[in-house]
Amino acid sequence: SQTIHQWPATLVQPVGSPLSLECTVEGTSNPNLYWYRQAAGRGLQLLFYSVGIGQISSEVPQNLSASRPQDRQFILSSKKLLLSDSGFYLCAWGDRPNEKLFFGSGTQLSVL
Amino acid sequence: RKEVEQDPGPFNVPEGATVAFNCTYSNSASQSFFWYRQDCRKEPKLLMSVYSSGNEDGRFTAQLNRASQYISLLIRDSKLSDSATYLCAVISTFGNEKLTFGTGTRLTIIP
Repeated sequence: SQTIHQWPATLVQPVGSPLSLECTVEGTSNPNLYWYRQAAGRGLQLLFYSVGIGQISSEVPQNLSASRPQDRQFILSSKKLLLSDSGFYLCAWGDRPNEKLFFGSGTQLSVL
Repeated sequence: RKEVEQDPGPFNVPEGATVAFNCTYSNSASQSFFWYRQDCRKEPKLLMSVYSSGNEDGRFTAQLNRASQYISLLIRDSKLSDSATYLCAVISTFGNEKLTFGTGTRLTIIP
């Protein structure tokens, strides 16, 4: 069966520090991969999605970036965090062709 | 107009009651529809897909109304454990399958 791993579960970072969140998927090949952010009391905002290795589409211009170095690995990064980057970050993989999404357990990021 | 809109609630419903939520979408070419459940500080989990003919899973019934561009979720005989935020999701960009989520409807079941 497919599983998705996301870490860390919580992270507290100072403003201006770098960020790296990692997500891996097991039990499937060539999945669509997604990064979402959910601010407190807000909806899910799609940040990046990837349909294959090295293929990244950005939905919202910002100081975040994403990379997909391997088929089942998706990384969210920032060189310098802003206060507004605080939120609940969720990685997900998509079950083609119906594109049901299955989420990782999320990372609660607090930028102070 | 937002692509996907939901009443944020909160809906405070007594245990055992029936509750229904709607979710409207703006793109008439939308293809696929889903309901997710999200508990506080947890990831969303797929509750059910929504099919054109409507579908039922135990106490949960989902329906699609293409003419009026909304989907609905009905929960019968509500349980305390149904308390959560319910998110609708729509694949709204034809040919580029990305899910767009509503902001969610918060449901609290009262004993």
